[in-house]
Amino acid sequence: EAQVTQNPRYLITVTGKKLTVTCSQNMNHEYMSWYRQDPGLGLRQIYYSMNVEVTDKGDVPEGYKVSRKEKRNFPLILESPSPNQTSLYFCASSFLGHGNSPLHFGNGTRLTVT
Amino acid sequence: QKEVEQDPGPLSVPEGAIVSLNCTYSNSAFQYFMWYRQYSRKGPELLMYTYSSGNKEDGRFTAQVDKSSKYISLFIRDSQPSDSATYLCAMGGNYGGSQGNLIFGKGTKLSVKP
Repeated sequence: EAQVTQNPRYLITVTGKKLTVTCSQNMNHEYMSWYRQDPGLGLRQIYYSMNVEVTDKGDVPEGYKVSRKEKRNFPLILESPSPNQTSLYFCASSFLGHGNSPLHFGNGTRLTVT
Repeated sequence: QKEVEQDPGPLSVPEGAIVSLNCTYSNSAFQYFMWYRQYSRKGPELLMYTYSSGNKEDGRFTAQVDKSSKYISLFIRDSQPSDSATYLCAMGGNYGGSQGNLIFGKGTKLSVKP
């Protein structure tokens, strides 16, 4: 089954404790992206990657890191999480990465930073 | 002015009603228009995809794009309780790079009452 898989689904952590949220897709997509979704703010792009070893900032990159060493994986790293990073996070992928290429989303990771 | 505007609702309708969801946008370069449906605790899933102006129908769902007015709509006929979800519009252009990323509306929460 074609899918985007995120882990973990739920994560509670404390301020400053480094964490990684994994994302993997099995559709051989070039493009991958991370979003956060907050009430009243909608989906906001954190980082995206057009291909292996090619990453770029989205609208809200501060406090996050990403890497794209393999085509299928795109982990999101929070080096020193803070409470304002409490949010629902989605990984997504698409074939082309242009506006004409629909995104496929994972089921989300709900992160709480205390 | 935000690039994409979408009324957040919530919108509550009785079962069987016709539902109209709308988005307006400001960027005339958008060429591709999508509607995503997001159930609670799930990632957004692509519902409808339209290129340029015109209508597209898929079962009970019809997507309309009016580029002259910079206005897109999603109509749901004979709405069902299973249609209860948040609907996000998204749009983009075929110009690549960061500008080619999809831009999302904030979503409209729909509730269909039995």
